[in-house]
Amino acid sequence: DAGVIQSPRHEVTEMGQEVTLRCKPISGHNSLFWYRQTMMRGLELLIYFNNNVPIDDSGMPEDRFSAKMPNASFSTLKIQPSEPRDSAVYFCASSLMSGSTGELFFGEGSRLTVL
Amino acid sequence: AQSVTQPDIHITVSEGASLELRCNYSYGATPYLFWYVQSPGQGLQLLLKYFSGDTLVQGIKGFEAEFKRSQSSFNLRKPSVHWSDAAEYFCAVGVSFGNEKLTFGTGTRLTIIP
Repeated sequence: DAGVIQSPRHEVTEMGQEVTLRCKPISGHNSLFWYRQTMMRGLELLIYFNNNVPIDDSGMPEDRFSAKMPNASFSTLKIQPSEPRDSAVYFCASSLMSGSTGELFFGEGSRLTVL
Repeated sequence: AQSVTQPDIHITVSEGASLELRCNYSYGATPYLFWYVQSPGQGLQLLLKYFSGDTLVQGIKGFEAEFKRSQSSFNLRKPSVHWSDAAEYFCAVGVSFGNEKLTFGTGTRLTIIP
């Protein structure tokens, strides 16, 4: 069974450009999470969805960040406009929320560099 | 709010030696505790988890962890490390059933020397 699939794996862009990161969760999973990892701040939860509905977006840094989940098999994280401080590895994770705290399955991440 | 502290940023051990990685949590009730491992360039993978019951939990790759409520700790152990164990290890805490919103520690990088 395929794991969580993220694209692109690497993205280099210039300040001010729009960036879109994509995620395909594991089939059958009903929760999806976007995390950001930096040396300074570690792993931060940006937003998570349950059954395609955003449940908690309190970790989204500011209005430049937005996330969508139009269906159970696809999610995007968009940064517009991007800034150098957005440089990080962005992870998508999915899980099956079945009434018990369960395992998060992580993708391999999208490394974003904003020049 | 819950929090996790991993006091060791970097640990170096010899191959074949025993390992203990420290994790302390802060939460008023019984937490749900996890250890994840991240190999270079990869996402995180679950090693083990504690929800309730036996305070010594076994995980994959020969790892185990012990929940000690009195010390607010959940330390990860392995009796004999292998070179392939070199990675970054994250402790995480969750606070309720049905809520996978985890708070992660800052991680401990493990280096294995021959």
